[in-house]
Amino acid sequence: QVHLQESGPGLVKPSQTLSLTCTVSGGSISTNDVYWTWIRQHPGKGLEWIGSIHYGGGPDYHPSLKGRLTLSVDTSKSQFSLKLTSVTAADTAVYFCARERTVGMVAYLDSWGQGTLVTVSS
Amino acid sequence: SSELTQDPAVSVALGQTVRITCHGDGLRDFYASWYQQKPGQAPILLMYGKNNRPSGIPDRFSGSSSGTTGSLTITGAQAEDEADYYCYCRDTSANHFVFGTGTTVTVL
Repeated sequence: QVHLQESGPGLVKPSQTLSLTCTVSGGSISTNDVYWTWIRQHPGKGLEWIGSIHYGGGPDYHPSLKGRLTLSVDTSKSQFSLKLTSVTAADTAVYFCARERTVGMVAYLDSWGQGTLVTVSS
Repeated sequence: SSELTQDPAVSVALGQTVRITCHGDGLRDFYASWYQQKPGQAPILLMYGKNNRPSGIPDRFSGSSSGTTGSLTITGAQAEDEADYYCYCRDTSANHFVFGTGTTVTVL
């Protein structure tokens, strides 16, 4: 059973860069039918897909975050990462990493990290 | 980009049946997957595709799809089913994804 664990600062100052890493264990990060995905949840709100990346590259980003968001994969460390620049209070959220599988006409997130709260505040 | 719309809240009597729906143009071309989230926890996958349940998910959960509507049905709701439920699907622009607005289920 694959296990995902987010790590990174819980507090980021406005205008700075939010950086998170997700460590994958119990399975390979270099799997062809898997996309490594980031989701966030603003306090008291619903889930928001923010981006995904395949181990071979070619990330996809939420349109509202393009220009600020960069996703990357480090297969040697079995990690994938998120960098979000120029953060504001609106980026305060619980950030989840997840494994997405795509089979035909369906994509599903079958493993999730526990989530990490990131607060943007001075 | 497209949206996935869910009823904000539904209630169901213990042991009865409730259907949670998800509406969106993307569902015309792609199946939804469904997630349950309890307070303070990460979501868990309940259903994906036409009607596929991961191992460990009780068979009281079932899924269906028609046109631009996907549905999750709980047959014989239990107290532990009280949670938020989200659908998830590829956006019609094909290179990103969207969650539904979420439905809070209360078991009476």
